[in-house]
Amino acid sequence: KAGVTQTPRYLIKTRGQQVTLSCSPISGHRSVSWYQQTPGQGLQFLFEYFSETQRNKGNFPGRFSGRQFSNSRSEMNVSTLELGDSALYLCASSFRRSQETQYFGPGTRLLVL
Amino acid sequence: SQQGEEDPQALSIQEGENATMNCSYKTSINNLQWYRQNSGRGLVHLILIRSNEREKHSGRLRVTLDTSKKSSSLLITASRAADTASYFCATDSFSGGYNKLIFGAGTRLAVHP
Repeated sequence: KAGVTQTPRYLIKTRGQQVTLSCSPISGHRSVSWYQQTPGQGLQFLFEYFSETQRNKGNFPGRFSGRQFSNSRSEMNVSTLELGDSALYLCASSFRRSQETQYFGPGTRLLVL
Repeated sequence: SQQGEEDPQALSIQEGENATMNCSYKTSINNLQWYRQNSGRGLVHLILIRSNEREKHSGRLRVTLDTSKKSSSLLITASRAADTASYFCATDSFSGGYNKLIFGAGTRLAVHP
C-alpha cells in the first residue's frame, strides 16, 4: 500500500496570507489527524477527521481549520498567517481511531515571513 | 500541556551499546506508543503497548509499562548508527470532550560509529 502523502512539502508565505495543506491517507484508512511540530512546543495535536466529520480537536485558534472529503483525503487551512505558524505540519492516518497506531506522512514545512 | 515526558532529552552512545529512554505520563491511559523521527521527517510507529500489558518486544526493541508509576521505558539493544533519531512516546488522552494522542518532547539519540 502507498503511504501517507502530503503536499506541498515546502511552503513559504508571508504574514496575513492563508495556506492550504493537503493529505492523502493510506487506502482504507478513515481517520486523518493533523499535528503541528515546532522546536518550542513540540508535537501538538490540531484535529482529527473521520468520515468527513471533525471528531476531535486540540487547543488551536479558529484560524486553523480542516476538512475531509468522501475519499478520506483531508485538507487543513490556516488563515491570517502569523510568524509563529512556521512549523512542520504532519498528517497521520489510522484505520478507525487516532488513538491507535498512526501512520505519518513526510510533513509540510511551512515558513512564514 | 504534555501528557508524556521523555527522559533524557538527549542521549549519545557508541554503536553496539544499549540505549534506554524513559517516558512518564500524568493521567490514566488505554495504551502508550513509541515513535521514531529522523531529522525533520515524519514519524514512524515503533510499538504500541496496552495498559494491561507490562512488556513488549519487537526485534531489538523492548518496551515496558508500569501503570502504577505512570511510566514506560524503551530499550534499544545493540544500537546502530541508523538508530540515530528522535524518539517520542505518545499516550491517548481524553479531555474537554475530545480524544487525542499526546506526544512527549522526545529523546534525541545519537549513535556514533
